[in-house]
Amino acid sequence: EVQLVESGGVVVQPGGSLRLSCAVAGFSIDDYPMHWVRQAPGKGLEWVSLISWGGDSTYYADSVKGRFTISRDNRKNSLYLQMNSLRTEDTALYYCAKDYGSGNLGLFDYWGQGTLVTVSS
Amino acid sequence: DIQMTQSPSSLSASVGDRVTITCRASQGISNYLAWYQLKPGKVPKLLIYAASTLQSGVPSRFSGSGSGTDFTLTISSLQPEDVATYYCQKYNNAPLYTFGQGTKLEIK
Repeated sequence: EVQLVESGGVVVQPGGSLRLSCAVAGFSIDDYPMHWVRQAPGKGLEWVSLISWGGDSTYYADSVKGRFTISRDNRKNSLYLQMNSLRTEDTALYYCAKDYGSGNLGLFDYWGQGTLVTVSS
Repeated sequence: DIQMTQSPSSLSASVGDRVTITCRASQGISNYLAWYQLKPGKVPKLLIYAASTLQSGVPSRFSGSGSGTDFTLTISSLQPEDVATYYCQKYNNAPLYTFGQGTKLEIK
């Protein structure tokens, strides 16, 4: 059974840093591109970041570029999102998601339940 | 960048009703269109991809259609468990993965 379990969401002050984790079971993350998607309170979904299946390419939404870093540990079958210089507008439920195919489709066939990041003083 | 616009933003219908949600792309996206279902506290679910292909395990009352710029998600007979927010999303053009603003569906 495929499972994605996010963790690491907490309350953090503006300007602070945080590292989110996503533990994956049921497939090997090195076979697929992996993504982070977020949903701010009362708002819609926003794609955040992608790491290719080989880990050699990463992409970011303009809203987080230069502040967030996506990475993966294939031995631990886990995905990470390092979040620096956090802003109040980064407050959201953060989901990790598996890509449907190997070619950075951006089609999300499995999601986690999300972890809540609150940026507030 | 291509924008995705859904309508309506909210919808109330009765059990058994046929429900249609529309999604319009600001430019043609061929059939690279997916629909997702989000329920509070639950894992988001992929319903349809390639505009009209039903994801495995999704009830057949859900269907999708369209190509180019105009797309629809249809629920043929609304069930209580379909209460959720539905999002369309364009994909394939890395990394410009854009969602619509969502349609909140409630039971009347």
